[in-house]
Amino acid sequence: QKEVEQNSGPLSVPEGAIASLNCTYSDRGSQSFFWYRQYSGKSPELIMFIYSNGDKEDGRFTAQLNKASQYVSLLIRDSQPSDSATYLCAVNIGGGSYNTDKLIFGTGTRLQVFP
Amino acid sequence: ETGVTQTPRHLVMGMTNKKSLKCEQHLGHNAMYWYKQSAKKPLELMFVYSLEERVENNSVPSRFSPECPNSSHLFLHLHTLQPEDSALYLCASSQGAGGQPQHFGDGTRLSIL
Repeated sequence: QKEVEQNSGPLSVPEGAIASLNCTYSDRGSQSFFWYRQYSGKSPELIMFIYSNGDKEDGRFTAQLNKASQYVSLLIRDSQPSDSATYLCAVNIGGGSYNTDKLIFGTGTRLQVFP
Repeated sequence: ETGVTQTPRHLVMGMTNKKSLKCEQHLGHNAMYWYKQSAKKPLELMFVYSLEERVENNSVPSRFSPECPNSSHLFLHLHTLQPEDSALYLCASSQGAGGQPQHFGDGTRLSIL
């Protein structure tokens, strides 16, 4: 089983709709979860991160964690064509050690928002 | 300058060449990383430096050699590379190496002839 899994997509949503991106992870000890946005030909850009103590909302973005089912989701409200990109999920693996934990990335989900 | 800066942005080299990639971070972080990103594959962690000490070497071939002279600078020395090493090489930094948010540079697109 892959450590972090994402559906590669593309996920196509109309402008103004809610885009829902999901990510499953295998390490039950994971405590921090990250969402990165990567435009074609560019580097990943951190857009949100949450810890195991709760969900987080930031503008149009909401990150939610379901620890029991081991998945984390990113909701994008009022999707815009400029949101079209690949969204990478990253999860810390290692159980909470300051020096040895590392982030494991999924392959990303490509989101297409059409006008 | 702010953030994480990588040079060069593009590099084409033959299999017998020796070159180096450079990364500099201006965020005051104390951990730095090298990743490889190939098409259709997840980001592959190559090396981690925390407080200038290498704490991770993810089974990377010896033709890749990292160097971290201080907490702001990271190099990746390349020699005798193979065509399958063609990829986007990304540098990142974070405050602490333990699963903290990482900030990426723009990457170096490497092509091996």
